Amino acid sequence: RKEVEQDPGPFNVPEGATVAFNCTYSNSASQSFFWYRQDCRKEPKLLMSVYSSGNEDGRFTAQLNRASQYISLLIRDSKLSDSATYLCVVNNRNTDKLIFGTGTRLQVFP
Amino acid sequence: GAVVSQHPSRVICKSGTSVKIECRSLDFQATTMFWYRQFPKQSLMLMATSNEGSKATYEQGVEKDKFLINHASLTLSTLTVTSAHPEDSSFYICSARGPGGGNTIYFGEGSWLTVV
Repeated sequence: RKEVEQDPGPFNVPEGATVAFNCTYSNSASQSFFWYRQDCRKEPKLLMSVYSSGNEDGRFTAQLNRASQYISLLIRDSKLSDSATYLCVVNNRNTDKLIFGTGTRLQVFP
Repeated sequence: GAVVSQHPSRVICKSGTSVKIECRSLDFQATTMFWYRQFPKQSLMLMATSNEGSKATYEQGVEKDKFLINHASLTLSTLTVTSAHPEDSSFYICSARGPGGGNTIYFGEGSWLTVV
């Protein structure tokens, strides 16, 4: 079983839609959690960190459930420019390494 | 924010040759840098952790004699793919912790390696 699992998608949604991505992690030593965005053939870029209390940044909301070892990302009012692959990333406190999920691909159409 | 620069962005080399990729932290010192490899439609896989002034730590299954890492200064780490084979063709990305060793990781732009 992969340490970080995501639905690969693709998710094809119209502009203005709300879309949610889920991610599960298996290692209880996971300490920090992030969502990164990766455009085609580019490096990943940090979208937001994920906190236990949940956090929001504009149209993006991230949630963490430590008991279920589950992370989510909600995108409201999707824009064409949101089309990308969204990577769920966890940091293992024992090894201090980032573990990446395979990513969920989002395609927003007009 | 902190910037990590990687060079070259694209390189094509012949089988059997070696190619060097550079990773620089432009406005901060990075005692630790990380090297990843990403094959198409797959996740980033950590290859090794590069530590300034000491030997790199390689992940299981990564050949240290094939992927030579040198971190000679606080702002530069290099990855040399030796005796390259077509199956080494991939997207190689470096990253570094932000200033002060915080939780934020900054990535280089990545290097596309094609071995023909």
